[in-house]
Amino acid sequence: GENVEQHPSTLSVQEGDSAVIKCTYSDSASNYFPWYKQELGKRPQLIIDIRSNVGEKKDQRIAVTLNKTAKHFSLHITETQPEDSAVYFCAACMEYGNKLVFGAGTILRVKS
Amino acid sequence: DAGITQSPRHKVTETGTPVTLRCHQTENHRYMYWYRQDPGHGLRLIHYSYGVKDTDKGEVSDGYSVSRSKTEDFLLTLESATSSQTSVYFCAISGGQGDQPQHFGDGTRLSIL
Repeated sequence: GENVEQHPSTLSVQEGDSAVIKCTYSDSASNYFPWYKQELGKRPQLIIDIRSNVGEKKDQRIAVTLNKTAKHFSLHITETQPEDSAVYFCAACMEYGNKLVFGAGTILRVKS
Repeated sequence: DAGITQSPRHKVTETGTPVTLRCHQTENHRYMYWYRQDPGHGLRLIHYSYGVKDTDKGEVSDGYSVSRSKTEDFLLTLESATSSQTSVYFCAISGGQGDQPQHFGDGTRLSIL
């Protein structure tokens, strides 16, 4: 089955700097890769997703890149702000599968 | 926000007692999921449903059962709760198969003493 590894487990950046979180997956059949943001005590919220027919996707200050050959994908946050502080989860799923497999999460702290 | 309501939001119970958590959606989505969230493990799939009376196991299904008698409701039951099942439980819904976005409810914090 699919296995997703996420790094780093914690990340501290200064306000205004960029943050990058990386995930690797094991099943080459996976083709859907969402990212979730979870604030303390809240539900995970989808912030961006990408499918395997696309190499990069952007939405304002966040972007996701996908390298299918190497089986890894990354979340990039530019111009970080204190409100970006949260836990971020990556996940992977096969096209005709019904199961998302999540990484263990990254705690992002943005210091002002 | 997706119309997902989880109940109860918090529950404390004793080992050996049965517990049922409810997930109710107003989006008429076909797919519903139950996850548990524990420190260091992210979100792990317990069971999911792909239609009324159609369910399947996830990664950590032992000790849990589910039922879906209506499109809008998905129930998770711990037949005899154990302390290892203390966790935060999230329900999620999706309009399509696994490659479609999943949206989460607010969670149920369950403590088993």
